[in-house]
Amino acid sequence: DAGVTQSPTHLIKTRGQQVTLRCSPKSGHDTVSWYQQALGQGPQFIFQYYEEEERQRGNFPDRFSGHQFPNYSSELNVNALLLGDSALYLCASSFLRVAGVKTQYFGPGTRLLVL
Amino acid sequence: DQQVKQNSPSLSVQEGRISILNCDYTNSMFDYFLWYKKYPAEGPTFLISISSIKDKNEDGRFTVFLNKSAKHLSLHIVPSQPGDSAVYFCAASRRSGTSYGKLTFGQGTILTVHP
Repeated sequence: DAGVTQSPTHLIKTRGQQVTLRCSPKSGHDTVSWYQQALGQGPQFIFQYYEEEERQRGNFPDRFSGHQFPNYSSELNVNALLLGDSALYLCASSFLRVAGVKTQYFGPGTRLLVL
Repeated sequence: DQQVKQNSPSLSVQEGRISILNCDYTNSMFDYFLWYKKYPAEGPTFLISISSIKDKNEDGRFTVFLNKSAKHLSLHIVPSQPGDSAVYFCAASRRSGTSYGKLTFGQGTILTVHP
C-alpha cells in the first residue's frame, strides 16, 4: 500500500511565476491538508480539503489556493511567487472524521525554490 | 504569534541515556498533543500523542508527559538509540470544532544520539 505521494520532489521557479504541487493521499484517506515548512521552522498549516471543499484555512494569502478531486487527490497552487515562498511543502492525508487527528500521514514533501 | 514553542533547537545525548524534549503552548483551547519525528528527505512521522484528559502516555521507549496548568509537555526517550537521531516536532490540535484536524507545530528540536 503506497503511502502519501507528492510530485514533483523539487522545483525551481522565478519570482512572479505560478506553481502547482500535487498530492496523492494514502489509500482509504479522504482528507488532505497542506503545510509549508520554511527552513529551520516547523510546518505551518495552509488549508485542509474534505469532500472537494476547503474546510479550514491557515494564515496564508489568497495567492495560495487548492483543489481536491473526486479521487481525493489534491493540488496546491501558488500564484505570483515571492522569494519567501521558498520552502518545503508537505501534504498530509487522513481519514480524519473517523480515525482522528493522530492518523495524519505526511508525504515526503516538495522542495520549492523561488529565485 | 507562536502558539507552540520548542525552545531548545538541539539536544545531544549519549546512547543508552534518557533524552528529554520539551514543548510549551499558549492556546488553552488545544486539547490534543502529538510528537512527530522527521528524518531528512522524509515527511514527519507520528510518534506518540496525549489527550488533555491525561497527564502521561507511554509507548515502549517513548513517554509523553502533559502539565496542563503549566501548558507544558515533554517527550522522554529511554534508552536513547543512535537511530533516534532526527528532528522532533511537538504539535497541538483540537479534537472538535472548526479547527479539528489542524496541527500547530513547534519549531523542532534536533536530537543527536551518540554511540
